[in-house]
Amino acid sequence: QLQLQESGPGLVKPSETLSLTCSVSGGSIISTEYYWGWIRQTPGKGLESIGSMYSNGRNTYYNPSLKSRVTISVDTSKNQFSLNVSSVTAADTAVYYCLRGGSSGSYHWFDPWGHGTLVTVSS
Amino acid sequence: DIQMTQSPSSLSASVGDRVSITCRASQSISTYLNWYQQKPGKAPKLLIYAASSLQSGVPSRFSGSGSGTDFTLTISSLQPEDFATYYCQQSYSDPTFGGGTKVEIK
Repeated sequence: QLQLQESGPGLVKPSETLSLTCSVSGGSIISTEYYWGWIRQTPGKGLESIGSMYSNGRNTYYNPSLKSRVTISVDTSKNQFSLNVSSVTAADTAVYYCLRGGSSGSYHWFDPWGHGTLVTVSS
Repeated sequence: DIQMTQSPSSLSASVGDRVSITCRASQSISTYLNWYQQKPGKAPKLLIYAASSLQSGVPSRFSGSGSGTDFTLTISSLQPEDFATYYCQQSYSDPTFGGGTKVEIK
């Protein structure tokens, strides 16, 4: 059974870069069928898609509202993928989830998700 | 962005009740609509994709319907483990989620 686990600092200072890693177990991250991404959740804005990419680095998607500050990368040798969000502010405080994206034809969905990790932006 | 609006934002129901949750898109999204269940402190779990297709392993008491702008998630007979928050998500364009519907015990 595929499992995803987020890791990274729980506290980041304003203006610095938030960096998270998602470790994938129970299956290979190398796939032409599935893709890998991040979503965050806050009490105020709810669930917000951040971005996603395939393991070959193609077809990368970033939320336009975050695109200038976000980078997602895949490390197939470690079966991991990562998220960087630069120049963070308090508005980036959220629970961050990593996930796998699936599709059938033009239909897409997110399953499974990691357990989530709370990242707080504060000095 | 396509805005997704769920109603109600919360509801109270009893075990065995039939429950329906509505999701409305700000423009037509055909059947590009997914439903997720989230329990406190847990990640969302996919229930329904493509508006009406049941994800593998999800109990058959869950069903989805709709197309265009109006969609419904129905739980035919509410079970104790179904008390949770439910979210819709459109995959027609840049993915966006509804605000959630919390199903509470009556």
